[in-house]
Amino acid sequence: EAQVTQNPRYLITVTGKKLTVTCSQNMNHEYMSWYRQDPGLGLRQIYYSMNVEVTDKGDVPEGYKVSRKEKRNFPLILESPSPNQTSLYFCASSSGTSYGYTFGSGTRLTVV
Amino acid sequence: DAKTTQPPSMDCAEGRAANLPCNHSTISGNEYVYWYRQIHSQGPQYIIHGLKNNETNEMASLIITEDRKSSTLILPHATLRDTAVYYCIASPSSNFGNEKLTFGTGTRLTIIP
Repeated sequence: EAQVTQNPRYLITVTGKKLTVTCSQNMNHEYMSWYRQDPGLGLRQIYYSMNVEVTDKGDVPEGYKVSRKEKRNFPLILESPSPNQTSLYFCASSSGTSYGYTFGSGTRLTVV
Repeated sequence: DAKTTQPPSMDCAEGRAANLPCNHSTISGNEYVYWYRQIHSQGPQYIIHGLKNNETNEMASLIITEDRKSSTLILPHATLRDTAVYYCIASPSSNFGNEKLTFGTGTRLTIIP
């Protein structure tokens, strides 16, 4: 089944403890992107990648890092998480054709 | 990207057509209109997109006015599973990978049994 898989689905962590949210797609898509969703603010793009080793900042990149060493994987790294990064995170991928982005099921992160 | 304006909420009776409006009066000539929906807290789902012609697929129809300042998403026979938040987005490229899709707050559509 074609899908974008994020792990973990739920995560509670403490301030300052580095964490990685993994994202993998099995559709051979070139494009991948990370979003965060907060009440009243909608979905905001954090980073996106147009291909292996090609990444760029979205609208809210501060406090996040990404890497794209392989086409299928696009992990989101929080080097020193803070409570304001408590959010629902979505990874998405696209082939660049007419079917839009395919989103993962989301990762609900709580930083205490 | 052009700003879009949508009503915050709408109701529709099950089995009837749901018509969701979107205003994008500042849309530029190279911007497409995209529609996504999000059911509860699941990942958004792509529905349809268009530039200036009306479009139809297995999920919905998209009607864009001739001046392109507004559009309507039509779900022809709404079911309870269509209850979701619907997002209208204007973006300058049909390349679905590298455009920065800017999601607003959308329209919360509730299908009434």
